[in-house]
Amino acid sequence: DAMVIQNPRYQVTQFGKPVTLSCSQTLNHNVMYWYQQKSSQAPKLLFHYYDKDFNNEADTPDNFQSRRPNTSFCFLDIRSPGLGDAAMYLCATSSEGNYGYTFGSGTRLTVV
Amino acid sequence: AQKVTQAQTEISVVEKEDVTLDCVYETRDTTYYLFWYKQPPSGELVFLIRRNSFDEQNEISGRYSWNFQKSTSSFNFTITASQVVDSAVYFCALSEATGYSTLTFGKGTMLLVSP
Repeated sequence: DAMVIQNPRYQVTQFGKPVTLSCSQTLNHNVMYWYQQKSSQAPKLLFHYYDKDFNNEADTPDNFQSRRPNTSFCFLDIRSPGLGDAAMYLCATSSEGNYGYTFGSGTRLTVV
Repeated sequence: AQKVTQAQTEISVVEKEDVTLDCVYETRDTTYYLFWYKQPPSGELVFLIRRNSFDEQNEISGRYSWNFQKSTSSFNFTITASQVVDSAVYFCALSEATGYSTLTFGKGTMLLVSP
């Protein structure tokens, strides 16, 4: 089945140690999104790619970066994770004209 | 700017009760989409429904039903005969009517269904 896959499902990283979360899709959607969801809060958009065009939200910290080497893959890099970055990170895709969003299962990040 | 308000933070019901989750939205767009997502404890967001702003017909899917009223900017969600498996956080969301606009989420309503 076409889907959005996030790896790993759970990630533990050390304070200040760079970490990369990955997302892949088999839907061939041209838009990919990264959301951060902290405990008991709504998902918050960090950035999205429209094809190769990167769109950063104004309040996304510089500590967060993203790469999209091709249509299928998108990565979230956290350069120096702090305790406040512990959250669920959700990847989603959509396609122009589709008007729907498909979410991955998320990666739950713990910072120790 | 778009805004979605889910005033109910948490609702507790006993199995088989009916429950309605409220959603009120604000947008300046004349064309938009409204969504409901379910987030069980495992964390993934499960798509429930998408509604176009031009379509005000109510929709029913099994035990789920949705009441869209443009006049009051509301898109409420009712679960009939609730079950323990319905326990989750439910998010209402809004997007512009383009294929790639971003979703604006409400803060979510946690539904607890006890046996």
